[in-house]
Amino acid sequence: GENVEQHPSTLSVQEGDSAVIKCTYSDSASNYFPWYKQELGKRPQLIIDIRSNVGEKKDQRIAVTLNKTAKHFSLHITETQPEDSAVYFCAARRSSGSARQLTFGSGTQLTVLP
Amino acid sequence: NAGVTQTPKFRVLKTGQSMTLLCAQDMNHEYMYWYRQDPGMGLRLIHYSVGEGTTAKGEVPDGYNVSRLKKQNFLLGLESAAPSQTSVYFCASSDWDRGLGDYGYTFGSGTRLTVV
Repeated sequence: GENVEQHPSTLSVQEGDSAVIKCTYSDSASNYFPWYKQELGKRPQLIIDIRSNVGEKKDQRIAVTLNKTAKHFSLHITETQPEDSAVYFCAARRSSGSARQLTFGSGTQLTVLP
Repeated sequence: NAGVTQTPKFRVLKTGQSMTLLCAQDMNHEYMYWYRQDPGMGLRLIHYSVGEGTTAKGEVPDGYNVSRLKKQNFLLGLESAAPSQTSVYFCASSDWDRGLGDYGYTFGSGTRLTVV
């Protein structure tokens, strides 16, 4: 089955700096890669996603890049703010199969220092 | 439109006790999932369902059973709870999301279970 690895497990940045979180996946049939943000005690919330036919996607201060050949994708947050502090999860899903289930990375605790 | 509702939100069990976690969705989604979340391990899939009356094992199914007798409900059972099952459990449902242009996930708010 799919295996998603995520790095780093913790990341501290100064407010205003950029943050980058990286994930690799094992199943070359995966074609959908969402990123979730989870604040303390809350449910995961989708913040951005990318499909395998696209190399990069941007939404204001958040961007995701995908390298299909290397099987890795990254989340980039620019001009970080204290409210960006949370746990971020990457995930992957293959194009075939009936269950549409996501396989998640282990999470990155991002702390933005004021 | 409540989305995905999980009950209970918190529970403390003694080792060997049994309990059932309920997940209910009102979006007519076909697919439903149970994940557990442990520190440093992300969300791991326990069981899932691709429609009413169907269930299948995920990555970490041992010690759990599930049922989906009605399309809107997905129940997760622990027959004999163990301390290793102390975790936060998230239910999710999924179906085609026209706005997303893909199968979107909707998570419940989670159940924090402690087994002592």
